[in-house]
Amino acid sequence: GQQLNQSPQSMFIQEGEDVSMNCTSSSIFNTWLWYKQDPGEGPVLLIALYKAGELTSNGRLTAQFGITRKDSFLNISASIPSDVGIYFCAGLDPYNAGNMLTFGGGTRLMVKP
Amino acid sequence: DVKVTQSSRYLVKRTGEKVFLECVQDMDHENMFWYRQDPGLGLRLIYFSYDVKMKEKGDIPEGYSVSREKKERFSLILESASTNQTSMYLCASAVRGWGSSFGSGTQLSVL
Repeated sequence: GQQLNQSPQSMFIQEGEDVSMNCTSSSIFNTWLWYKQDPGEGPVLLIALYKAGELTSNGRLTAQFGITRKDSFLNISASIPSDVGIYFCAGLDPYNAGNMLTFGGGTRLMVKP
Repeated sequence: DVKVTQSSRYLVKRTGEKVFLECVQDMDHENMFWYRQDPGLGLRLIYFSYDVKMKEKGDIPEGYSVSREKKERFSLILESASTNQTSMYLCASAVRGWGSSFGSGTQLSVL
């Protein structure tokens, strides 16, 4: 199966900096999701996007559903140490009756206090 | 909140053993999934199920089987564990059309 191209693979930033990561796909999706995985835990859903062009915020996190339906972006403003983890994008395609998600490879975020 | 519970956080098994990984969800979700997670490879779908007694192969089903006898329970079975099946296994459930909720994972080591 396909995998989304997620970049960057890892980031090491200073506390207080803003963070941007993105996912791209060769095929369209009708839903984009962003998850965060803390060490030793399963991924937790952060933001869900259902419409092309949609911009949604969840606290310091903002995600956008690209207008081509082939990409999505996640921004974290004013990072803090608890933002550390792996961030995954996931897409749900319009022809998938089984509700399967396609995942990006993840962005590992490290924050230096 | 949906709760997805995986029976073990850590398991150590020997090559050739039969291994059962259990997953239970408490929100009456139709869809359940098993993934494995390996460094640099992200989450890869092993099997999923969209109804009781129904199962579909994911991207990497070889060496695995599943069982869904009840709606809330989805089991992953390694018929004869091998060292290349050492991995983090994640179970998830979802309502059709919505994002998945994940369990905390089972770190399996096959020696």
